[in-house]
Amino acid sequence: GQQLNQSPQSMFIQEGEDVSMNCTSSSIFNTWLWYKQEPGEGPVLLIALYKAGELTSNGRLTAQFGITRKDSFLNISASIPSDVGIYFCAGQGGGAGSYQLTFGKGTKLSVIP
Amino acid sequence: NAGVTQTPKFRILKIGQSMTLQCTQDMNHNYMYWYRQDPGMGLKLIYYSVGAGITDKGEVPNGYNVSRSTTEDFPLRLELAAPSQTSVYFCASRELRAGELFFGEGSRLTVL
Repeated sequence: GQQLNQSPQSMFIQEGEDVSMNCTSSSIFNTWLWYKQEPGEGPVLLIALYKAGELTSNGRLTAQFGITRKDSFLNISASIPSDVGIYFCAGQGGGAGSYQLTFGKGTKLSVIP
Repeated sequence: NAGVTQTPKFRILKIGQSMTLQCTQDMNHNYMYWYRQDPGMGLKLIYYSVGAGITDKGEVPNGYNVSRSTTEDFPLRLELAAPSQTSVYFCASRELRAGELFFGEGSRLTVL
């Protein structure tokens, strides 16, 4: 099946610092999605990307759909304690099996006040 | 709007027991999914459905069964529980094939 490599696995940062995480794929995707999961909850969508090269912001979050369609990154600026959680990337192809999303293993973010 | 509702939230099973995880959505979504989440492993797709009466296997279907008799409901059945099925299970739905996926709050299952 399709593989998504998400890095880093975990991050410890000081409040106020910027954060960057990324995902790379062995396959081309038509859609990239970024989710955040807090303890005891289901993942919640942060940003959706539908076009190669697209750069989209949601408050302090910015995500980009790579030109090659095999990667995406998420940046968080000026981190705050409530940014703590696990961030997942997810990709969807356009061919057979395109009903399915492939998820990365997640980046666990810890913010030190 | 309730969104995607899963029950139960927690369950402990003995090896060999059976149970059904319930999932219902009130958004009239055609597409529904079951994932399992193991620590550090992300989300793995178990089964999915593109509409009432249609289901298909995902990446890790062994040991599970599903049915989709209505648009709203997509139950996941474990027939003979095994310790390897200890996990957190998430149901999700979406309106469009490439649209936002809405998740339930999860069902934590422990098999002893």
